[in-house]
Amino acid sequence: NAGVTQTPKFQVLKTGQSMTLQCAQDMNHEYMSWYRQDPGMGLRLIHYSVGAGITDQGEVPNGYNVSRSTTEDFPLRLLSAAPSQTSVYFCASSPTVGTAYGYTFGSGTRLTVV
Amino acid sequence: QQQVKQSPQSLIVQKGGISIINCAYENTAFDYFPWYQQFPGKGPALLIAIRPDVSEKKEGRFTISFNKSAKQFSLHIMDSQPGDSATYFCAASGQAGTALIFGKGTTLSVSS
Repeated sequence: NAGVTQTPKFQVLKTGQSMTLQCAQDMNHEYMSWYRQDPGMGLRLIHYSVGAGITDQGEVPNGYNVSRSTTEDFPLRLLSAAPSQTSVYFCASSPTVGTAYGYTFGSGTRLTVV
Repeated sequence: QQQVKQSPQSLIVQKGGISIINCAYENTAFDYFPWYQQFPGKGPALLIAIRPDVSEKKEGRFTISFNKSAKQFSLHIMDSQPGDSATYFCAASGQAGTALIFGKGTTLSVSS
């Protein structure tokens, strides 16, 4: 049982480049979300999904796109990377949209934009 | 607007001591208050959680105290150990379908 798998673990991008951060879960969880973690800022919500085909914006959505075509996968796309997007990105999932269950987090993707 | 305020930002405790981390929230619709523990290079992991219908929840050395009227909750780590050295996040969420809102985190160092 892999849980939440994020790839890649590390990535360096040049300003203006695009890339997709992958997130997959094998627990049949309905709810998936993306957070970014920056020093002193905690975990800030970027986008989330309550089920396949349904996504919504979080606190810091600008510069990021998401889609949810399957229950298992929730990729995060950076269309034109900027240095301000240098961060550690975490994907998380939960069994249902309710809050009675804790989130399961992936191990993160450390992204550097130069 | 920061909906969950966490303090202190960092904390140093001697082995065997009590670590206390505090959080305050603003939204009275919040009804779920978890604490997450994160080790370097790892994702956060659920440590303990509480709902506002109880004032305290204990799991081993970890206790959440909840004060609904003051809109505050805290994590107490009894008999703190060097292995407890990590970053701790409080969080809160409301009705079904809403995401967790996290505090900014507390870095705990337990000295031996």
